[in-house]
This record gives sequence, structure tokens and C-alpha cells, in this order.
Amino acid sequence: GENVEQHPSTLSVQEGDSAVIKCTYSDSASNYFPWYKQELGKRPQLIIDIRSNVGEKKDQRIAVTLNKTAKHFSLHITETQPEDSAVYFCAASGNTGNQFYFGTGTSLTVIP
Amino acid sequence: NAGVTQTPKFQVLKTGQSMTLQCAQDMNHNSMYWYRQDPGMGLRLIYYSASEGTTDKGEVPNGYNVSRLNKREFSLRLESAAPSQTSVYFCASSEWDNSPLHFGNGTRLTVT
Repeated sequence: GENVEQHPSTLSVQEGDSAVIKCTYSDSASNYFPWYKQELGKRPQLIIDIRSNVGEKKDQRIAVTLNKTAKHFSLHITETQPEDSAVYFCAASGNTGNQFYFGTGTSLTVIP
Repeated sequence: NAGVTQTPKFQVLKTGQSMTLQCAQDMNHNSMYWYRQDPGMGLRLIYYSASEGTTDKGEVPNGYNVSRLNKREFSLRLESAAPSQTSVYFCASSEWDNSPLHFGNGTRLTVT
């Protein structure tokens, strides 16, 4: 099956700085890569996703990049704000497209 | 439109007891999933159902059974609960392959 690794496990940044979270995956058949944000005690919620036919996608302060050759993808958050503090998870869809495998999460703290 | 609804929200079981976690979605999604979330381990797939009438094992299926009752409902059963099954359980659904997961609010299960 798919194996997704995520780094770092914790990240602290000053408000206004950028944050980058990186993930690698093992199954070259995966072609859909979503990112989820989970606030304490809440459910994971999709913040951005990317498909294998695209190298980069942006949505306001959030961007995701994908390198299929190297099997890694990254989340970039610019101009961070305290409300960005949460746990972020990357995922890969696996070879059937419906066996989502998640990374172990990154706890992001934005210091005001 | 409630999205994905899980019941119960909290449950405490004694070792050896059984219970069923219920999940229903009202988005007409084809695929449904059960994940467990443990500290430091991210979200791990227990079982999934790619479409009505089919179920498949995920990463950690031992000790669990599932039923896709109809297109809307997907239940998770613990036949003989063990302390190792203490976790937060999330149900999710997606419209089709390689599409975003929508999560329920989770069930916090403690097995003593």
C-alpha cells in the first residue's frame, strides 16, 4: 500500500512569516493529493488539493506544489496568522483513488 | 444538508463489550470510509466502501467489521472491544475516486 511521510512534526513561526510542510509518498499510481487542517477537537477539513497533472496550485495565502518524479508535495502558507495555528495533514489517494493514506501531521503554531 | 453525521459522540466500553458506530451522509456520495486517529499517528484507514454493496480492508482492519447498509449509511462494529481500540473514530465520504473527503465530527471511544 501507499506510505506517506510528513515533516516536520511541529513548526513554530512568527506571525507574518511563511510556513512550509513537506510530504513524500511511495505509490507512483497515486494521483490526488489533498491537504487537511484540523483544529483542536474538530474534524479535519480540506484546505487545498492538487492532482497529478498539475505542478502547483494557489488559493490566496495557501499553495501546494507537486513533484511526481520525486514523489513529494509541499504546502506553503504565506503571511501566517494566529488562526492558521492547527494540525495539518497531507494525504495521497493510493492506486485505487479511494484508499486515502495520511501523513502523521504537522502541528503549526503561529506566534503573534 | 447535514453532511456526514456520526453517532455517538462519546462512548466508554469495558473490555470485551461490543458496539456499533453509526455514520450517515446526505450528499449522495458513492464512497465512504472509517478512520481512527491516535496521537502522533495521523489518520489510519480501517475500512472503506468504494460504492454501495462493496467493502474493503484498509491499513488497520483487525478487530473491526463494517456494513454498507445503503448508499447513505456505513457502520463500524467492534465485536469485542480492547483497550488498544481507544481512539477517535472518524467517518468520511467522497463523491467518487480521487475526490475530497468530507469528515464527520468524530466519535471519542474509550475502552477500559
